[in-house]
Amino acid sequence: AAGVIQSPRHLIKEKRETATLKCYPIPRHDTVYWYQQGPGQDPQFLISFYEKMQSDKGSIPDRFSAQQFSDYHSELNMSSLELGDSALYFCASSLPGQGEWNTEAFFGQGTRLTVV
Amino acid sequence: GIQVEQSPPDLILQEGANSTLRCNFSDSVNNLQWFHQNPWGQLINLFYIPSGTKQNGRLSATTVATERYSLLYISSSQTTDSGVYFCAVAPYNFNKFYFGSGTKLNVKP
Repeated sequence: AAGVIQSPRHLIKEKRETATLKCYPIPRHDTVYWYQQGPGQDPQFLISFYEKMQSDKGSIPDRFSAQQFSDYHSELNMSSLELGDSALYFCASSLPGQGEWNTEAFFGQGTRLTVV
Repeated sequence: GIQVEQSPPDLILQEGANSTLRCNFSDSVNNLQWFHQNPWGQLINLFYIPSGTKQNGRLSATTVATERYSLLYISSSQTTDSGVYFCAVAPYNFNKFYFGSGTKLNVKP
């Protein structure tokens, strides 16, 4: 079965550089979520998109921006990278909700970003 | 936001033992999922269980939405069950999940 595809899997950047992370959701999934997981921490919500519009926003730094494109893939752009941005970045996707219930979300394998 | 508490934070089991992991949440939710994060960091879906009981092999889960908790049962544990188990909940009318801090499970041979 198709899964959520994230690229690249690993990324090494220097401080103050920029990075772009890409996410390709499962076909027919119209909702995309981005999460950041620091070492030994639980995943923290950054931002989500529904039908190409920003849906909810979490603790996403102003240096980060994201969008969802017409083909439903999403990109997370990170500028002026700091050492503290080193983390595992997850993208997840889900189908449209059914009535009052959100549907199951599936996570990609993550992009491990290291800032040196 | 919703507070999600998982217990115990750490658990060491001998292979073959059974265990129960708990997830408490502070408000009504319309989605609850259990994940296993393996040593390579991958988040693997275990259960989508906003209410009721489900079973999948040696694993089963129960969510009592009215009392705001969920339980994950692992029976006859295996070394491959080691990793971190996360509970994540989504509030009504929001497209986001709140994760608990996880239960780190170590199954010894």
